[in-house]
Amino acid sequence: EPEVTQTPSHQVTQMGQEVILRCVPISNHLYFYWYRQILGQKVEFLVSFYNNEISEKSEIFDDQFSVERPDGSNFTLKIRSTKLEDSAMYFCASRFGRGANNEQFFGPGTRLTVL
Amino acid sequence: AQSVTQPDIHITVSEGASLELRCNYSYGATPYLFWYVQSPGQGLQLLLKYFSGDTLVQGIKGFEAEFKRSQSSFNLRKPSVHWSDAAEYFCAVGAQDTDKLIFGTGTRLQVFP
Repeated sequence: EPEVTQTPSHQVTQMGQEVILRCVPISNHLYFYWYRQILGQKVEFLVSFYNNEISEKSEIFDDQFSVERPDGSNFTLKIRSTKLEDSAMYFCASRFGRGANNEQFFGPGTRLTVL
Repeated sequence: AQSVTQPDIHITVSEGASLELRCNYSYGATPYLFWYVQSPGQGLQLLLKYFSGDTLVQGIKGFEAEFKRSQSSFNLRKPSVHWSDAAEYFCAVGAQDTDKLIFGTGTRLQVFP
């Protein structure tokens, strides 16, 4: 069964460093998402991406964040200068179509720890 | 603004017992409602969803949920819990005019033999 994959599973970085979190969505999917979950808190929407551009973003997704689909298979989330409060589990998701009856499929997540 | 509340942070049940996980939502229009499950080290897996029609929806793994508009609720139920159901359960709301899902804080289910 096709699935969304994410690498790495755990990333440790120093405050101020840049990190890139990688996701491989399901191959025929067209809509891509990043969510994050700070420990003990709810899963929060960050950004959605379609047709090589951001279609919606939350107020969390500020200038420190960017997304890219560099090669038609990977979907990346970059944090330019990490802060302590960026420590969280980051989930990638994808779906084929935009309608609500199209399920969002989630990856296993990348745990980011900023020291 | 859309929001989802899961009042129970942690629930413990015995294997074979029935289960109900509560979810309340706040949304102006008719919401799209979802339940996801997350096992340790795994991604979020969709259990079931409600868009319209029959208010009692069946999902995978023997779960069902009932949409009650008057109570703004979408509670998840299972008649007999198995040890493998131990996981974190998330209720979420979506809408036709947005891409994003709004999640609750989750309920951690522990199952005792």
